Amino acid sequence: DQQVKQNSPSLSVQEGRISILNCDYTNSMFDYFLWYKKYPAEGPTFLISISSIKDKNEDGRFTVFLNKSAKHLSLHIVPSQPGDSAVYFCAAREYGNKLVFGAGTILRVKS
Amino acid sequence: DVKVTQSSRYLVKRTGEKVFLECVQDMDHENMFWYRQDPGLGLRLIYFSYDVKMKEKGDIPEGYSVSREKKERFSLILESASTNQTSMYLCASRIPTGGNSPLHFGNGTRLTVT
Repeated sequence: DQQVKQNSPSLSVQEGRISILNCDYTNSMFDYFLWYKKYPAEGPTFLISISSIKDKNEDGRFTVFLNKSAKHLSLHIVPSQPGDSAVYFCAAREYGNKLVFGAGTILRVKS
Repeated sequence: DVKVTQSSRYLVKRTGEKVFLECVQDMDHENMFWYRQDPGLGLRLIYFSYDVKMKEKGDIPEGYSVSREKKERFSLILESASTNQTSMYLCASRIPTGGNSPLHFGNGTRLTVT
């Protein structure tokens, strides 16, 4: 039973447009959410995070939105660039130090 | 920059072999983790360690064990490798500053069990 779900296995976007990656969760006890990006043959790298007490966090071209009532978060990338093509993982923190990851979404940015 | 090094990029082992996956981090991080990544399943936690000689089971510990004799090194052991353990294995470390610090991952070990 996956507690963190990324229902879109892949997303294709034109360069310069907005990319929106979505993530849903079921556990209301999650208190911190993170996005990781992964290129082929590399480990995931941290991208951006948000605490459950906030509804938005922005870092340059990347913005994460959290809707606690809907148990939904999204990552917006504006404008999208070809170098953003990667697998994006949503993760949520349980009590203690454990992170629970989603299955990932493959983003392809076409030039 | 934090560096997490996994000793092998690719490994091919036979069913029933004992397999050791090694991970070393150079930033004196207390917390270390082993995940496996499979298509459609994302990253699943196998074991983690809060500090030296400490270990905790993750979500899928069956068929695995770990060793943390030194702070910088966290080893994952497959006691008797099976074909369903063919996967990408990722090691990660973190400083436990309230648990909000991000994980730093190694580049992964692609294990194939035949």
